[in-house]
Amino acid sequence: DQQVKQNSPSLSVQEGRISILNCDYTNSMFDYFLWYKKYPAEGPTFLISISSIKDKNEDGRFTVFLNKSAKHLSLHIVPSQPGDSAVYFCAASGQKLVFGKGTKLTVNP
Amino acid sequence: DTGVSQNPRHKITKRGQNVTFRCDPISEHNRLYWYRQTLGQGPEFLTYFQNEAQLEKSRLLSDRFSAERPKGSFSTLEIQRTEQGDSAMYLCASSSDRRKLFFGSGTQLSVL
Repeated sequence: DQQVKQNSPSLSVQEGRISILNCDYTNSMFDYFLWYKKYPAEGPTFLISISSIKDKNEDGRFTVFLNKSAKHLSLHIVPSQPGDSAVYFCAASGQKLVFGKGTKLTVNP
Repeated sequence: DTGVSQNPRHKITKRGQNVTFRCDPISEHNRLYWYRQTLGQGPEFLTYFQNEAQLEKSRLLSDRFSAERPKGSFSTLEIQRTEQGDSAMYLCASSSDRRKLFFGSGTQLSVL
């Protein structure tokens, strides 16, 4: 039973364009959502988060949007840079952090 | 470096052997988590400590797995009689609350 779903295993975009990564969740008890970035052979690194009482949080090039009624969140990266190429995990917090399977983002120069 | 530290970074072992991993959390964090990640999957929760007390264990944590956090500081994760299915990256994370976790670089286990 997957409570956090990232349905796109991979995404490829051109440098300078927008990257949009999507995430759906099923458990309405989740009250905090996070995005982590992971490079090969490294642990996940925190990127940005959002509380369930908000619908948007912005930090530089990264913006997370939350649609509670649809149980959907997305991460926007504008403009995308080659250094953004990594696996991005969506995570949701209830009693513990539950992760999606990740989306591999490739930003082409 | 004040981040989460994990040792060793890599471990290769033969099936049936015991292995032990160590995690040193961020010093002011009282919560410590162990997760496991396999290829194509996200991190999966294994167990969680608040100070020295182990408060939750996943059903993924079989009887061959044991975790400790003596004195509420560093933690160890031991796997007895390793199996090939135990091959994964074992991730440790620490936190001051239940929301934002800070991860170490992980220990990559390969069971031959």
